Amino acid sequence: NAGVTQTPKFQVLKTGQSMTLQCAQDMNHNSMYWYRQDPGMGLRLIYYSASEGTTDKGEVPNGYNVSRLNKREFSLRLESAAPSQTSVYFCASRGQPNTEAFFGQGTRLTVV
Amino acid sequence: GIQVEQSPPDLILQEGANSTLRCNFSDSVNNLQWFHQNPWGQLINLFYIPSGTKQNGRLSATTVATERYSLLYISSSQTTDSGVYFCAVARRNSGYALNFGKGTSLLVTP
Repeated sequence: NAGVTQTPKFQVLKTGQSMTLQCAQDMNHNSMYWYRQDPGMGLRLIYYSASEGTTDKGEVPNGYNVSRLNKREFSLRLESAAPSQTSVYFCASRGQPNTEAFFGQGTRLTVV
Repeated sequence: GIQVEQSPPDLILQEGANSTLRCNFSDSVNNLQWFHQNPWGQLINLFYIPSGTKQNGRLSATTVATERYSLLYISSSQTTDSGVYFCAVARRNSGYALNFGKGTSLLVTP
């Protein structure tokens, strides 16, 4: 059982380039989330999708867009990457509301 | 949003020692989890514990929701316990998205 799978694992972008981070879960979970983690800090919520067809902003949404493509997949897009978006990005999913969330292995993104 | 404070921020233990990590949160929550982030950056689920006490081997956790805190106990620590421990809480009105503390960085020395 793969759980939550993120691609790619590593990426280097130049300032101004665009890219999409992919996330897929195989646990039939309703809710999915995107976080970023910066050095010395906990994870901060970028966007979330409480159920298929819905998306909402989190704490740090500026510079990002998301798409809940179907129940399995939730992608995060950077339209014009900036050095401030250098971070480790985590995707997570949750089934029923009062159950535990599971995280992917992370994507380490560097913008130069 | 909910404020989550973890203490201590850093901890160094000798192998075999016990420790207690604390998580305070600023409002009522529906959901609380403890994670271990290993040195490779992977987030590992330790406990889902919105209330009560749970144990898993050398680790146990207690959440007192009415007093807005949770404790993680590590007994007989091992070098593989090193890493960062995160507490995260969630509420119904934000899609049960987790709010994370800044973590406790633990180093267990031989």
